[in-house]
Amino acid sequence: QLVQSGVEVKKPGASVKISCKTSGYTFRSYALSWVRQAPGQGLEWMGWINGYNGDTKYSQKFQGRVIMTIDASTKTGFLELRSLRSDDTAIYYCARDPYPYSPRWLDPWGQGTLVSVSP
Amino acid sequence: ETVLTQSPVTLSLSPGERATLSCRASQSISTYLAWYQQKPGQAPRLLIFDASNRAPGVPGRFSGSGSGTDFTLTISSLEPEDFALYYCQQLTDWPRTFGQGTKLEIK
Repeated sequence: QLVQSGVEVKKPGASVKISCKTSGYTFRSYALSWVRQAPGQGLEWMGWINGYNGDTKYSQKFQGRVIMTIDASTKTGFLELRSLRSDDTAIYYCARDPYPYSPRWLDPWGQGTLVSVSP
Repeated sequence: ETVLTQSPVTLSLSPGERATLSCRASQSISTYLAWYQQKPGQAPRLLIFDASNRAPGVPGRFSGSGSGTDFTLTISSLEPEDFALYYCQQLTDWPRTFGQGTKLEIK
């Protein structure tokens, strides 16, 4: 199970940090992927973080603005997005990711965190 | 970056009919393709992984096929709860791109 933190309302230029608390599996045996969905739009993959050693892979689109971290002691993953713009308004999801192991999928998903960016 | 193109954008069918959704990749992704279902206000749900394997708990009317660049999700006989958005995702290279989605609506 993945449980995410609550709604965030931010001003342009601010930062946001979302948490994803996991349970029911061995945290260090899986990675987390982060995916966002703007209102009425499709799914956009943002990045991946290895639950064992914290290695990351980021989408080039967010490079320099995104930081993904983990806290293995609390089995929690974090997504921080900086220099927020209005087009960062979206629902942000975390999902368990077995990579580099098999199978390759994202399952399960957190319930999503709405981030609203407005002046 | 591997681009996934889903077709059709919208599919209008009636309960009991067969649905065929397509996902085409801009380059070969072997069989590292997953399908997700998303209903309004909900997180996506994994249906199919590795192109043709049903995820645990997914009804048998859902099936996936394909390899390389062309993939298909088939729903053999539509149930009312199947009308939703469907996304494919490639898990071969970075970034892990998604298709733009197919909306399956009731005719």
